[in-house]
Amino acid sequence: GAGVSQSPSNKVTEKGKDVELRCDPISGHTALYWYRQSLGQGLEFLIYFQGNSAPDKSGLPSDRFSAERTGGSVSTLTIQRTQQEDSAVYLCASSLENTGELFFGEGSRLTVL
Amino acid sequence: GENVEQHPSTLSVQEGDSAVIKCTYSDSASNYFPWYKQELGKRPQLIIDIRSNVGEKKDQRIAVTLNKTAKHFSLHITETQPEDSAVYFCAARSTASKLTFGTGTRLQVTL
Repeated sequence: GAGVSQSPSNKVTEKGKDVELRCDPISGHTALYWYRQSLGQGLEFLIYFQGNSAPDKSGLPSDRFSAERTGGSVSTLTIQRTQQEDSAVYLCASSLENTGELFFGEGSRLTVL
Repeated sequence: GENVEQHPSTLSVQEGDSAVIKCTYSDSASNYFPWYKQELGKRPQLIIDIRSNVGEKKDQRIAVTLNKTAKHFSLHITETQPEDSAVYFCAARSTASKLTFGTGTRLQVTL
């Protein structure tokens, strides 16, 4: 596709369940970010992948959160044992180079009941 | 790591007036400073950016200024219109590091 694609667009889950969120970046983009945005709040950095370098995981809020990027393209953010405070929109973004414009996906809205 | 502070958190202006949003950064190695606009329910989108080799950049009604010595940069919107109402995020990055965002400014343009 032409832009960053995220799925699912909406996910409702029960507390304690695991969820996986997927991001398909723009083809050829070497950098990929995950952010979390709670209602009316800012962009909370979660994790950053750049090429073949080790990812910057400094923003992951707990060990329940993990992410991987396979083959330098698709990324999956996994949240284990979800809690109600995990409810938010999870945004993925990619860029062509390290200093390039970030293109955001539409986000995955997660609701934990 | 980089730390970006943004002020004000909310800003209300009358249509036609100017709006200014200010950001400061901590890492003197930062060399790229973009601004993103996020309309309600939409994804953030780049509206303008500036690199450390220039002090000012304009694009129609928006402009960004950069003061490297003081480590601050600002977004200026002139002749504001209702469609300028949104949340604006500044950000900063040095080469080979992640982009760090400010906390956002909610701009409301009133008629």
